[in-house]
Amino acid sequence: DAGVIQSPRHEVTEMGQEVTLRCKPISGHNSLFWYRQTMMRGLELLIYFNNNVPIDDSGMPEDRFSAKMPNASFSTLKIQPSEPRDSAVYFCASSGWDTQYFGPGTRLTVL
Amino acid sequence: GIQVEQSPPDLILQEGANSTLRCNFSDSVNNLQWFHQNPWGQLINLFYIPSGTKQNGRLSATTVATERYSLLYISSSQTTDSGVYFCAVIGRGGATNKLIFGTGTLLAVQP
Repeated sequence: DAGVIQSPRHEVTEMGQEVTLRCKPISGHNSLFWYRQTMMRGLELLIYFNNNVPIDDSGMPEDRFSAKMPNASFSTLKIQPSEPRDSAVYFCASSGWDTQYFGPGTRLTVL
Repeated sequence: GIQVEQSPPDLILQEGANSTLRCNFSDSVNNLQWFHQNPWGQLINLFYIPSGTKQNGRLSATTVATERYSLLYISSSQTTDSGVYFCAVIGRGGATNKLIFGTGTLLAVQP
């Protein structure tokens, strides 16, 4: 299996622009997670899905962030409008029954 | 919510040395995982170990669930072991797949 796939790997954008991050989970996994990692706050769970349904979005910072999972093999995390404080590494992870496997991350820089 | 503490916060070793990293958690857990984040930022799953002992090459882990701690052993360390080691748990009793991460142990292995 190819593992969790994320794109893009790096994104540089200007404040106010829309940013869309993409994730393809491991085939057969029924849970998908979006995390954000910064030096100040460490690893934070933003939202997770079970069987394509959002279960816990309490970590989503504000209305500028939204996530979708239209099918079992694809999810997006969108930031609109982006702000410099959104600069971070965004990880997607997926799991079957127990172990979570992380993608390589998207490094987002908002100027 | 459940608290996860890791020690030591940072560690410097000479190549070939052994080390023990500790993870304490404040409540019963369904899930405990150890991760290695390498210097390139990739998060790699090492062990899924809510209880018992597992070994994988030079690495092994033990979780004593009744005493609420887990240990990660690294033997004959190599420079490629450098990075941050995270412990993450899911508390028992909650209807959630939400992993709670510790703040990590930063390991530097010197040649």
